[in-house]
This record gives sequence, structure tokens and C-alpha cells, in this order.
Amino acid sequence: AQTVTQSQPEMSVQEAETVTLSCTYDTSESDYYLFWYKQPPSRQMILVIRQEAYKQQNATENRFSVNFQKAAKSFSLKISDSQLGDAAMYFCAYVTNFGNEKLTFGTGTRLTIIP
Amino acid sequence: DAGVTQSPTHLIKTRGQQVTLRCSPKSGHDTVSWYQQALGQGPQFIFQYYEEEERQRGNFPDRFSGHQFPNYSSELNVNALLLGDSALYLCASKRGTATDTQYFGPGTRLTVL
Repeated sequence: AQTVTQSQPEMSVQEAETVTLSCTYDTSESDYYLFWYKQPPSRQMILVIRQEAYKQQNATENRFSVNFQKAAKSFSLKISDSQLGDAAMYFCAYVTNFGNEKLTFGTGTRLTIIP
Repeated sequence: DAGVTQSPTHLIKTRGQQVTLRCSPKSGHDTVSWYQQALGQGPQFIFQYYEEEERQRGNFPDRFSGHQFPNYSSELNVNALLLGDSALYLCASKRGTATDTQYFGPGTRLTVL
């Protein structure tokens, strides 16, 4: 079975500090895409960052970056200079190619920002 | 540029009833997927529609059905509602059949009493 594991149900970080959220996944496919989505209390699932598995370079989007370790099937999210607006549930997800286009999500990590 | 929209925002039904949820995709998108998110869980894939046909289906019973219209909007229908169907229902859209990024709507919160 293809799964996504987020082992940290809750994390907290001081405002302006850096935090890393962990994610591991299990797939037998070689071609896939990984995502981090953010879900604030408003419920809207917002894309944070995307990584193509065939790319060795880690994706970055402003204060957000990933550490993609393909051999270890690990995909962690680093948030630098944490802001109050970063408080949300964070979900790791992946989708494989070749007709299997459903997103498989982890159970999420609740991130709290301490002022 | 309008994003993905869903209606209604909230819905309360009783067991055994039927419900229809609606989704309009982001401009330029032609593929719509539906997900069920139970409280405290990640979203679970229900099915995906492209060119008005169901392309892929998750592990959900036949009580869950859908439809896609020529303008790419979509409906999710759930028959014979159970208490366990209470959840947030999310619609996501993307372009074409490639692994393009899926963009989500705000969801419909369904409560079954």
C-alpha cells in the first residue's frame, strides 16, 4: 500500500525561528510528485511547495524549502523566519504518474507559532 | 481569476437522506477531484472526473457518485447518508490529465445527524 507518514502530530516554534516538519512516504513508483499543503482554520487547502521526484535540487518558495531524500523516501519542510500566519495544519502528499493521479495525504502536523 | 468554489459552505442532513455538493473549478482547469476529510485526518480521495467521465475512483461505496458538466463544474452525490459520512468534502481542480498541481476549494462541511 502506498502511504504517507507524518510522525509529528503537533509542533510549535517561536516567531521568527526556524522549524522543520517531517514526512516519509512509501511508493514503488519511480516517477512521482511531492507536495506540502497548508490548511488554516479557514479550511482552505493551500499549496505551499511542490517537488518533482526526478529533480535532485530541493524546491524552495521564499521562506519555505524542502529536504528531499529520494533513497530514504523522506520529504521534510523547513519554514524559516516563522510568522504568526504560518499557524495551520500542514499535510504532506504525493501523486504518482501514469494514470494514478489521486493525491495521497498524511495525517498532518499542527503547527503553532508562539509570539 | 476565480479559484475553486464550492457550495454550500455547511450542510446538515439526517441519516438516510441524500445530499448533493457542487464545485466550480479554477479558470482554465478541466479535471475535478473530490476528497473526504474526516475530523483530524488527511483528505481521502473519492473520485476524479475528466471530460465528463469518472477516470479514477478511491475506496468509497457506490452510495458516492458524481457528475461533471460540459463547463467542467462537478457535483458529488451521496445517497443513504450514514453518521460516518460527516466530514469536510473538498473539491480540487487541475489542468488535463498530467500530474499538474491540484488546487483546492474551501470545502463543504457536511453534518449527518
